[in-house]
Amino acid sequence: TQLLEQSPQFLSIQEGENLTVYCNSSSVFSSLQWYRQEPGEGPVLLVTVVTGGEVKKLKRLTFQFGDARKDSSLHITAAQPGDTGLYLCAGSGAGTASKLTFGTGTRLQVTL
Amino acid sequence: DTAVSQTPKYLVTQMGNDKSIKCEQNLGHDTMYWYKQDSKKFLKIMFSYNNKELIINETVPNRFSPKSPDKAHLNLHINSLELGDSAVYFCASSPGTSWGETQYFGPGTRLLVL
Repeated sequence: TQLLEQSPQFLSIQEGENLTVYCNSSSVFSSLQWYRQEPGEGPVLLVTVVTGGEVKKLKRLTFQFGDARKDSSLHITAAQPGDTGLYLCAGSGAGTASKLTFGTGTRLQVTL
Repeated sequence: DTAVSQTPKYLVTQMGNDKSIKCEQNLGHDTMYWYKQDSKKFLKIMFSYNNKELIINETVPNRFSPKSPDKAHLNLHINSLELGDSAVYFCASSPGTSWGETQYFGPGTRLLVL
């Protein structure tokens, strides 16, 4: 069974601070995605990474896929209250390609 | 112009009842999914259909039965509801079944079994 552990579980920071969320597994994934979920809504895709070592930037968010494709990180620079939400990593690997294994989630709260 | 819609949004019912949740997508996608999100926000795949054919069937009690009348619709019927079935159920869709495809999620159905 593929498992994705995220850390930290909870993060409460002030506006303007930087933060990093980690997503780790002992399994290799063919692709790794990050989703953000706001209260009362479904997850929304932020990014997909497919190559080991790949780095992608989305405004103040930087995503990295580990060289061995077993882990990923999400770094947010100068966090804003609008970044508040549940961040979920999700990997697809062995077996049915479209089957996503979701991480344990990181709840981020950014206050003024 | 909602992409993935689910009904109902809230469902409160008694143990032992049978209930259905409906999902529709207007994105023209071939693949649809049902996920369960528990109280700790852990999201787990239950089922997936591609062009009305079941392709993912995780270890789910057989009280749960998905049905896809056409590729734009995926319904979930639950028999003999139990307390542990209380959760948020999300429907999602994707263009196909390739690695790394975006999955588009519905707003969720909040099921509470009393």
